[in-house]
Amino acid sequence: AQSVAQPEDQVNVAEGNPLTVKCTYSVSGNPYLFWYVQYPNRGLQFLLKYITGDNLVKGSYGFEAEFNKSQTSFHLKKPSALVSDSALYFCAVSGSFSGGYNKLIFGAGTRLAVHP
Amino acid sequence: EAGVTQSPTHLIKTRGQQATLRCSPISGHTSVYWYQQALGLGLQFLLWYDEGEERNRGNFPPRFSGRQFPNYSSELNVNALELEDSALYLCASSLGLAGDTDTQYFGPGTRLTVL
Repeated sequence: AQSVAQPEDQVNVAEGNPLTVKCTYSVSGNPYLFWYVQYPNRGLQFLLKYITGDNLVKGSYGFEAEFNKSQTSFHLKKPSALVSDSALYFCAVSGSFSGGYNKLIFGAGTRLAVHP
Repeated sequence: EAGVTQSPTHLIKTRGQQATLRCSPISGHTSVYWYQQALGLGLQFLLWYDEGEERNRGNFPPRFSGRQFPNYSSELNVNALELEDSALYLCASSLGLAGDTDTQYFGPGTRLTVL
């Protein structure tokens, strides 16, 4: 079955430290990969995506992610965390396997807590 | 530029009733998507509309239906409400089949509570 895994329910980071939120996928073919962030009582906000090309993708608010085909991973990173980065982060994938590139399959989400 | 808007913000219904949720896409977007975010089930794809047509459907029963209007806004209808339909319903839009279909931008959601 096609799936996306976010192995950590919660990640705790001190402000100013680098952060990593992990995502691995198990799909056939060439996936499109996305990261979204959700703040309390809000919808999802698009951060970045990988379609093709350079494996390092830069997105909004200083976030970046690295596509690793051999490890089937797409981890989200930021060099220096801010308290305001505290939120729920979702990894998502789409592709021909999901019934079309327009159907996103989401991971369960990782709660990021950045402590002052 | 205005983002995706959804109404109402909150909706409370009783079991067996019908719920209607509304979504207006970003200007210029022709594709609208619906997702359900239920506790313990995560985010699940419901429906995709483009140019007034249903293009794809998730694994939900037929009592979940919708439509897209000529102005590209969309309505999600849930008939015969069940307690487990309680969730945050998120609408997203993208440029549609004629353009960049891969990035979906989400609205704030409608929280449906079924009592």
